[in-house]
Amino acid sequence: DTEVTQTPKHLVMGMTNKKSLKCEQHMGHRAMYWYKQKAKKPPELMFVYSYEKLSINESVPSRFSPECPNSSLLNLHLHALQPEDSALYLCASSQPPGVYGYTFGSGTRLTVV
Amino acid sequence: EDQVTQSPEALRLQEGESSSLNCSYTVSGLRGLFWYRQDPGKGPEFLFTLYSAGEEKEKERLKATLTKKESFLHITAPKPEDSATYLCALQETSGSRLTFGEGTQLTVNP
Repeated sequence: DTEVTQTPKHLVMGMTNKKSLKCEQHMGHRAMYWYKQKAKKPPELMFVYSYEKLSINESVPSRFSPECPNSSLLNLHLHALQPEDSALYLCASSQPPGVYGYTFGSGTRLTVV
Repeated sequence: EDQVTQSPEALRLQEGESSSLNCSYTVSGLRGLFWYRQDPGKGPEFLFTLYSAGEEKEKERLKATLTKKESFLHITAPKPEDSATYLCALQETSGSRLTFGEGTQLTVNP
């Protein structure tokens, strides 16, 4: 299995909702990443988990809360988002520290209304 | 601070018209330079990693090269299905994050 699977593919949520994005990989990778991508812009790093521990938080607002329950799963919990948070959210995985490249999922298209 | 600059921003080619995309970079110590292809609404698809100046890698119609200051992605006889955004990213020796360029949007017309 050489894929990173993200669910859901699309999500529309109100500013008072709580929702979660999920990411799963079975490649034995021990580093997992969340990226945010706005239209016609490159991906921006949000969080890095290495060996299930949070190693990088790129000063992301607390309305985004990551969780890594085990080496195969990565979640991103969303609460009280703003319309400007609408974007494509990408999950990626690699063997630490990523020197052989990251494998990205297809992303979750999030719309905040 | 690491910097990655891609040019051109957009490129239109006729089918079969070969060309090159450029990625220039500054970094204190390069661990790897990556090329990705991204289709609209999809995640980036890994193409190549280059580790040291002088290295070259090929895959079908694509060939990536690396010098100490830039990388090129050469596209030979492109087809319409090669239309996508091509992203360059680098990883420095001291960390795990990828720093992405803004990308080159390639359109290949039949």
